[in-house]
Amino acid sequence: DSGVTQTPKHLITATGQRVTLRCSPRSGDLSVYWYQQSLDQGLQFLIQYYNGEERAKGNILERFSAQQFPDLHSELNLSSLELGDSALYFCASSASTGAWGEQYFGPGTRLTVT
Amino acid sequence: AQSVTQLGSHVSVSEGALVLLRCNYSSSVPPYLFWYVQYPNQGLQLLLKYTTGATLVKGINGFEAEFKKSETSFHLTKPSAHMSDAAEYFCAVSAGGYSTLTFGKGTMLLVSP
Repeated sequence: DSGVTQTPKHLITATGQRVTLRCSPRSGDLSVYWYQQSLDQGLQFLIQYYNGEERAKGNILERFSAQQFPDLHSELNLSSLELGDSALYFCASSASTGAWGEQYFGPGTRLTVT
Repeated sequence: AQSVTQLGSHVSVSEGALVLLRCNYSSSVPPYLFWYVQYPNQGLQLLLKYTTGATLVKGINGFEAEFKKSETSFHLTKPSAHMSDAAEYFCAVSAGGYSTLTFGKGTMLLVSP
């Protein structure tokens, strides 16, 4: 158990809909990262927050947004969903802001868009 | 920009045999290198990392990797495979500082009795 929790575990929704994925980092970790894992694209970095502020952006679509709240939990919002958004979405947390620190991954949320 | 190439999407070994998973990277600055493992239906777990210093890095579960700058490689090895090693393995690179991780496509390790 990494100490990172993600809800829900599974999500099935229709095209055009909007969903919110939730992540609670390990106790004391200030950095939260979001990743998308799909068969064709592999594991892609989406976005990083550190102590409530956006720190780095990766291959995140404009239809996607995220935020980190004062209690350090984070939410990833996906809107106008398309079939291609079906993937496993991971949250990871780290004590550091940089990539030298170990990232602890949650179990993921499997999103299926029908 | 950084990139990672993992040679072989699937590697099959027999229990007790040497495990060798290949990773080559591209980085314009001295890289930080990582190996993560993903067991079925779980998130990724750090196996080992290289930042600076000794180029031979030992990790958990008997795995080790050697940073070879001249070959831009960071191959993962284990002398003797166990059935429990069956999982997907990801190599990742970072430029250090505040940069983020770039992952390879992953290599599925299959271990047969």
